Amino acid sequence: GAVVSQHPSWVICKSGTSVKIECRSLDFQATTMFWYRQFPKQSLMLMATSNEGSKATYEQGVEKDKFLINHASLTLSTLTVTSAHPEDSSFYICSARADRVRGQPQHFGDGTRLSIL
Amino acid sequence: QKEVEQNSGPLSVPEGAIASLNCTYSDRGSQSFFWYRQYSGKSPELIMFIYSNGDKEDGRFTAQLNKASQYVSLLIRDSQPSDSATYLCAVRRTNAGKSTFGDGTTLTVKP
Repeated sequence: GAVVSQHPSWVICKSGTSVKIECRSLDFQATTMFWYRQFPKQSLMLMATSNEGSKATYEQGVEKDKFLINHASLTLSTLTVTSAHPEDSSFYICSARADRVRGQPQHFGDGTRLSIL
Repeated sequence: QKEVEQNSGPLSVPEGAIASLNCTYSDRGSQSFFWYRQYSGKSPELIMFIYSNGDKEDGRFTAQLNKASQYVSLLIRDSQPSDSATYLCAVRRTNAGKSTFGDGTTLTVKP
């Protein structure tokens, strides 16, 4: 149980392109979803937290207009990197959690490796 | 001081030994504690979670929590080379809040 599916796994695109990444909870209702970014050999960096039907809460230093997050349903959240540039190249990982039961862990998707040329 | 601290390692143990991974946290109000394993180039996967003081065992893994000392650990018995990974400790204060992750401890199990 607790499967989180993330697509695509790899994206290579030109600078200036917008890229959408999908995150789905397959067998549970994800009341809270998280988006992380991780550079090689570095720690997970939380970008934003979203609750179904609400606006995402972004961490300090993360540009809201650059990284658009939509948590439209209890099973789907999307991250759109707008006008991506080479410095946005990174490993993006979503995570989902069912908060209706106390103390539930968050489960991670397999991540999306984004390369901007 | 970081909210969640882990020794970065690398921690090296021989195959078959017990690996002990430690984590300290600063928020006394923390309620939920999680251990994740992350292989190089992959996303984290949940190993165990613990809420109450004491030990919790799952197969070769044992999580130990001491809230008074603000300390949580993960023991891996009969370590295997496939256990070589970075282990992340995560701590959460409330049911609906976000978890704070440590930077991880890199474990190498040598055959």
